[in-house]
Amino acid sequence: NAGVTQTPKFQVLKTGQSMTLQCAQDMNHNSMYWYRQDPGMGLRLIYYSASEGTTDKGEVPNGYNVSRLNKREFSLRLESAAPSQTSVYFCASITRDRGYEQYFGPGTRLTVT
Amino acid sequence: AQTVTQSQPEMSVQEAETVTLSCTYDTSESDYYLFWYKQPPSRQMILVIRQEAYKQQNATENRFSVNFQKAAKSFSLKISDSQLGDAAMYFCAYRPSQGWYGGSQGNLIFGKGTKLSVKP
Repeated sequence: NAGVTQTPKFQVLKTGQSMTLQCAQDMNHNSMYWYRQDPGMGLRLIYYSASEGTTDKGEVPNGYNVSRLNKREFSLRLESAAPSQTSVYFCASITRDRGYEQYFGPGTRLTVT
Repeated sequence: AQTVTQSQPEMSVQEAETVTLSCTYDTSESDYYLFWYKQPPSRQMILVIRQEAYKQQNATENRFSVNFQKAAKSFSLKISDSQLGDAAMYFCAYRPSQGWYGGSQGNLIFGKGTKLSVKP
């Protein structure tokens, strides 16, 4: 049981390049989330997926797209990376057990130059 | 909109002593969850403790306890017998609803964090 996994752990992009951040969970959770974390800020929600086949915008969705490929996988795509997207990205999933605890992946540190 | 405020960007504590991290939040909901997460240098977000708003009793987990004041919308974290491994960023978080746990109701609203240093 690996929990929530994310790939890659680190990535450097040039402005205008595209990439996809991968996230997978093996806990059979229905809902999954993408957050970004910037210095001096908490985590802010980019997109979420309440269940397989549905996705919705969070607080800071501009410049991103998501795909809920199946129940396990939820990917985040940057179509044309910008320096403002330099951040640490976290994927999370939620369980109704244990007080609706969110389980977080290890994060991806993305730098856009 | 709900907000979470951590007024202490940085705190420091001597090893073996006690420290309290502050958190206030703003909501019009009556039912919700509150959380403290720890983020060590490894970046991993680790749940420290949770509190259900409908419970009057303060949550405790070993050396970690909270002081939950619902009327004042305050949720502070007390760390007793501080250890070097407690050094980390600590985030207070609020979850708007305990009804349907998925979708937007599952979204956590985070404070900006408190960086805790532990001196040997």
